Amino acid sequence: GAVVSQHPSRVICKSGTSVKIECRSLDFQATTMFWYRQFPKQSLMLMATSNEGSKATYEQGVEKDKFLINHASLTLSTLTVTSAHPEDSSFYICSARTGEGAKEQYFGPGTRLTVT
Amino acid sequence: RKEVEQDPGPFNVPEGATVAFNCTYSNSASQSFFWYRQDCRKEPKLLMSVYSSGNEDGRFTAQLNRASQYISLLIRDSKLSDSATYLCVVNRLNYGKLTFGQGTILTVHP
Repeated sequence: GAVVSQHPSRVICKSGTSVKIECRSLDFQATTMFWYRQFPKQSLMLMATSNEGSKATYEQGVEKDKFLINHASLTLSTLTVTSAHPEDSSFYICSARTGEGAKEQYFGPGTRLTVT
Repeated sequence: RKEVEQDPGPFNVPEGATVAFNCTYSNSASQSFFWYRQDCRKEPKLLMSVYSSGNEDGRFTAQLNRASQYISLLIRDSKLSDSATYLCVVNRLNYGKLTFGQGTILTVHP
């Protein structure tokens, strides 16, 4: 299957700082990438849809000014958690489709964020 | 009501057993259906897509009943390596947005 990478895999930061997470499609171009969040013992929840060259679309209840998404190229989307707080501690996972008509999504390995 | 509902389990079965998971979805406009598996502290990995005609991949069989809005996954001859959380996933529109069930935990023991 297609390969999606994320960096960093794990990050610990202090409350009030910002953290940037990168999501890359390694062997295909992705015009659309998705960002999910997973709290312990819960399922993945879609946060936003990242579109190359345009603004991201956020799901209801997700603050766009807190979770900044940039999709500057066909292989890279970034999620910046601004002014992080302990309640932002979670597992952040990105995914991408291999094409607009593709049904299947491939997930990155995730980034575990801990805010102290 | 959750858009995708699964029995969270856990299911504890011996090696070699057959185990079945069920899932229901609430939105009749849902178009694509999948089973993903997620190992502890890892990302979800696609196990198989689910088609109306039913489909099989080795020991895994998936079924979809659109009228009942019901999806199932059958695992035959369970292996220790099948231990994971199985996620029922639905794509409501062809925009790529996936909705995940909470997952069913499976533990296969010797």
